[in-house]
Amino acid sequence: DQQVKQNSPSLSVQEGRISILNCDYTNSMFDYFLWYKKYPAEGPTFLISISSIKDKNEDGRFTVFLNKSAKHLSLHIVPSQPGDSAVYFCAANGKGAQKLVFGQGTRLTINP
Amino acid sequence: DGGITQSPKYLFRKEGQNVTLSCEQNLNHDAMYWYRQDPGQGLRLIYYSQIVNDFQKGDIAEGYSVSREKKESFPLTVTSAQKNPTAFYLCASSVPGQGLMRGGYTFGSGTRLTVV
Repeated sequence: DQQVKQNSPSLSVQEGRISILNCDYTNSMFDYFLWYKKYPAEGPTFLISISSIKDKNEDGRFTVFLNKSAKHLSLHIVPSQPGDSAVYFCAANGKGAQKLVFGQGTRLTINP
Repeated sequence: DGGITQSPKYLFRKEGQNVTLSCEQNLNHDAMYWYRQDPGQGLRLIYYSQIVNDFQKGDIAEGYSVSREKKESFPLTVTSAQKNPTAFYLCASSVPGQGLMRGGYTFGSGTRLTVV
């Protein structure tokens, strides 16, 4: 049972344009969501997060939007840069939970 | 600098052999985790530990074993019972509970295990 789903395995975007990565979840008990970025042969690094009491969180070029009614969140990167090429994982956590639940990841490629 | 160290970076194992992956952290985190990454399947939880001398099975614990004798260390043994061990293994640590809401996990750089 995949509680966190990233339905797009890959995404290709032109440099300077907006990248939008999507994530859906099924567990209504999730109340905190995170995005991680991963380069090949490295561990993921934390990018940005959002609590369920908010619908938007912004950090520089990165913005995460949360639609609780749709159980959907998205990560916007604007403008996209070549260094943004990586795999992006969405993760979720519920109150009292002891671990994060991850999506399958989306490979983002920024083309010059 | 605090961090989490996994070793070795690359590991080759013959079929039928057990092998142990090392994970050490100096972040003073109570919780530690082992994940496995396979193409198209994201990060799947193998084992996790919230406190020394205690650990719980994750979603895919079969064929693996762990120990948590020290706060800083959480080694993972891939046994011969693991049918498909070739994968990228990631160790992570965190402050449990509320800590998951402040940036979540800190990951190591991973170990690539290949069965030959």
